[in-house]
Amino acid sequence: DTEVTQTPKHLVMGMTNKKSLKCEQHMGHRAMYWYKQKAKKPPELMFVYSYEKLSINESVPSRFSPECPNSSLLNLHLHALQPEDSALYLCASSQGLGREQFFGPGTRLTVL
Amino acid sequence: SQQGEEDPQALSIQEGENATMNCSYKTSINNLQWYRQNSGRGLVHLILIRSNEREKHSGRLRVTLDTSKKSSSLLITASRAADTASYFCATDTGANSKLTFGKGITLSVRP
Repeated sequence: DTEVTQTPKHLVMGMTNKKSLKCEQHMGHRAMYWYKQKAKKPPELMFVYSYEKLSINESVPSRFSPECPNSSLLNLHLHALQPEDSALYLCASSQGLGREQFFGPGTRLTVL
Repeated sequence: SQQGEEDPQALSIQEGENATMNCSYKTSINNLQWYRQNSGRGLVHLILIRSNEREKHSGRLRVTLDTSKKSSSLLITASRAADTASYFCATDTGANSKLTFGKGITLSVRP
């Protein structure tokens, strides 16, 4: 299995909602990543997990809360988001830090 | 801050022609990677070239790296309409081994 899956594909939420994005890979990769991508812009790194431990937090606001329950799963918990947080959220994994990354199809998030 | 800067920002060619995209970066790197993204979808890894390598090939792709000029180029030969996408270079500087993406190049291949 050489795929990274993300659910849901689309998510619309209000500013008072709590929701979660889910990412899963079964390639035995030990590094997992969350990126945020706005239209016509490059992906911006948010978080990096290495061996299930948070190794990079790119000064992301606390309304985004990552979680890595095990080596195959990565969640992003969302709470009290702002309309400017609307974007494509991409998950990726790699065998290790600095290696080629495999991306999921993304979750298109709209915050009303 | 942006590490990689691609050039040109947009490229339109006829099917069958070659497409050349350039990437420049600012600091020393461990490796440089190229990714493709079809509209609104996830990125697909194309090729990784290490700092001690000068050229790599993968199918119709050829990547060069000039560390003295801090630049890389991606050549797609015999382009197809299906190559229409955005292309990003990304650098791994070794600092936390995070990838920093360039702004991207939009390639349109006309049938």
